[in-house]
Amino acid sequence: DAKTTQPPSMDCAEGRAANLPCNHSTISGNEYVYWYRQIHSQGPQYIIHGLKNNETNEMASLIITEDRKSSTLILPHATLRDTAVYYCIVRPLANDYKLSFGAGTTVTVRA
Amino acid sequence: DAGVIQSPRHEVTEMGQEVTLRCKPISGHNSLFWYRQTMMRGLELLIYFNNNVPIDDSGMPEDRFSAKMPNASFSTLKIQPSEPRDSAVYFCASRGTSGRGNTGELFFGEGSRLTVL
Repeated sequence: DAKTTQPPSMDCAEGRAANLPCNHSTISGNEYVYWYRQIHSQGPQYIIHGLKNNETNEMASLIITEDRKSSTLILPHATLRDTAVYYCIVRPLANDYKLSFGAGTTVTVRA
Repeated sequence: DAGVIQSPRHEVTEMGQEVTLRCKPISGHNSLFWYRQTMMRGLELLIYFNNNVPIDDSGMPEDRFSAKMPNASFSTLKIQPSEPRDSAVYFCASRGTSGRGNTGELFFGEGSRLTVL
């Protein structure tokens, strides 16, 4: 399974955009990139996913590089409620139920 | 939609006692997952059910752990006998049928925090 690398932590100012990087240099051609987040004392929550093209939904935008070796999750206007651990996950096709959650990035949004 | 419902939310028990955690998946979802989360090991997949059938239980730590899904709306995770190292937050998640228009996302419950003394 392709592995992901994320910075352990980052701070962001409230109201500003938060850009969360993720490296997945061994990703296979048909593997999707998924992002989840986990707010303290809650279960993980799906944010967005993509294959090749950039994606946007009501929560965030996902930018995937052309070579697919890295991606960036963008929270356009971070709020205090966005403080959470963010997980970047590459989902294998053969066993598509296996989401391997790494350590993620702890994002702290400051007022 | 009530989401994935887990009970109990908190459980404190003594070593050697039996622990049963319960999960009600989202109605209509055909896949169910049990995860365990600890500070040391993060989130680990314990077992995966599809259409009530266990598909992959390779993450179940040892024979003390067992999971059942007697019907589409209920699953249990049992630990017998429990040990202090089983202390963790146990999450249940469900997923709808994969396919066009389906994101394949997992919906997680709030978790059951287990403390074994």
